[in-house]
Amino acid sequence: SQKIEQNSEALNIQEGKTATLTCNYTNYSPAYLQWYRQDPGRGPVFLLLIRENEKEKRKERLKVTFDTTLKQSLFHITASQPADSATYLCALDPRSNDYKLSFGAGTTVTVRA
Amino acid sequence: EAGVVQSPRYKIIEKKQPVAFWCNPISGHNTLYWYLQNLGQGPELLIRYENEEAVDDSQLPKDRFSAERLKGVDSTLKIQPAELGDSAVYLCASSLRRRSSNQPQHFGDGTRLSIL
Repeated sequence: SQKIEQNSEALNIQEGKTATLTCNYTNYSPAYLQWYRQDPGRGPVFLLLIRENEKEKRKERLKVTFDTTLKQSLFHITASQPADSATYLCALDPRSNDYKLSFGAGTTVTVRA
Repeated sequence: EAGVVQSPRYKIIEKKQPVAFWCNPISGHNTLYWYLQNLGQGPELLIRYENEEAVDDSQLPKDRFSAERLKGVDSTLKIQPAELGDSAVYLCASSLRRRSSNQPQHFGDGTRLSIL
């Protein structure tokens, strides 16, 4: 069956450190992978999209990698700040005709000042 | 630009009662989605519209759930009758009319439904 697995444990890090989140998938061959941020009581907010032929994508302090051989995406937050505390969701395209995204359960990040 | 607007933000009803949620997508976004999100889980698609046409409703429990998108803009999602297991957050999202997977989806803040 198809699965998307994100870090099962919440991530607690010190301000200024780099947070690294993983998104592993099985029985998918996605053409695209997206990352979203979700704050408590709010809807997800789009952060980054990476294509299968892109190894890495950056946006300010965010970096995403996509390894189709390992079936894994890594999401890095460098120089983390307390304002980065949130749940981060990965979402991917199952490469079907349905044109829909499948979301992981998310990883909650807490950055301590 | 104004974001996706959903109402109400919270709804508490007794089981077996009907309930309706409303969504106004971003102007110009032809594709509209309704998702269900349980605590600690990611959003799960219920239905996707392209303009006024429901192009993917395979995950919508049609015995009790219904949706409509009149004139291809606003949309409503209805549950009748509600069951205890329907307690969740119902999210609406919209995107440009292209292949969904390479377009960002813009989400509203959802309606939190509690069934007593």
